[in-house]
Amino acid sequence: QKEVEQNSGPLSVPEGAIASLNCTYSDRGSQSFFWYRQYSGKSPELIMFIYSNGDKEDGRFTAQLNKASQYVSLLIRDSQPSDSATYLCAVTLEAGTALIFGKGTTLSVSS
Amino acid sequence: EAGVAQSPRYKIIEKRQSVAFWCNPISGHATLYWYQQILGQGPKLLIQFQNNGVVDDSQLPKDRFSAERLKGVDSTLKIQPAKLEDSAVYLCASSLGLRGDTQYFGPGTRLTVL
Repeated sequence: QKEVEQNSGPLSVPEGAIASLNCTYSDRGSQSFFWYRQYSGKSPELIMFIYSNGDKEDGRFTAQLNKASQYVSLLIRDSQPSDSATYLCAVTLEAGTALIFGKGTTLSVSS
Repeated sequence: EAGVAQSPRYKIIEKRQSVAFWCNPISGHATLYWYQQILGQGPKLLIQFQNNGVVDDSQLPKDRFSAERLKGVDSTLKIQPAKLEDSAVYLCASSLGLRGDTQYFGPGTRLTVL
């Protein structure tokens, strides 16, 4: 059974702080890694994807991938109340195949 | 660019009834996915189409669920008969396919089975 594990939270951070979201995956052959944000009652929205070991930055978001440890994380700098949502980690085994999702981590940013 | 369209947005039925959902993917996207998201869980794949052929339906409960993608564009997902445990959000997503695996989701259909 291919699994993606996330701490369900909630993770609570004050406005302006760095939020760190973590994810581990079981299949060492996983190729692509995605972070989706999902507001309550809405569908998942792509934030970032990463394919190679290391860091990838996009604005206030940084994705980090360590394939040796089978670990992927998302850092959100200068967290805002509007970042309060559930963050879903997902992986694919090959390009063009289905996403395998974790259960998501709920982030709450207080003002 | 228009996103993935789904209808209806909400549906309430009684158990043992049937229901159908419709999805129109982003123009040019060859691959279409149907996911089921139960409250508090991440989405789970039900079926994947590449153009109008099925790529993966290993997690589709085929005794009650069926799906088709005629002409490689729109798709319908049907449940017959529905069970209480089918209450979930049904999400349609599309991607370019083998050349790009970034998937974009539609707004979803929230199904409540009473």
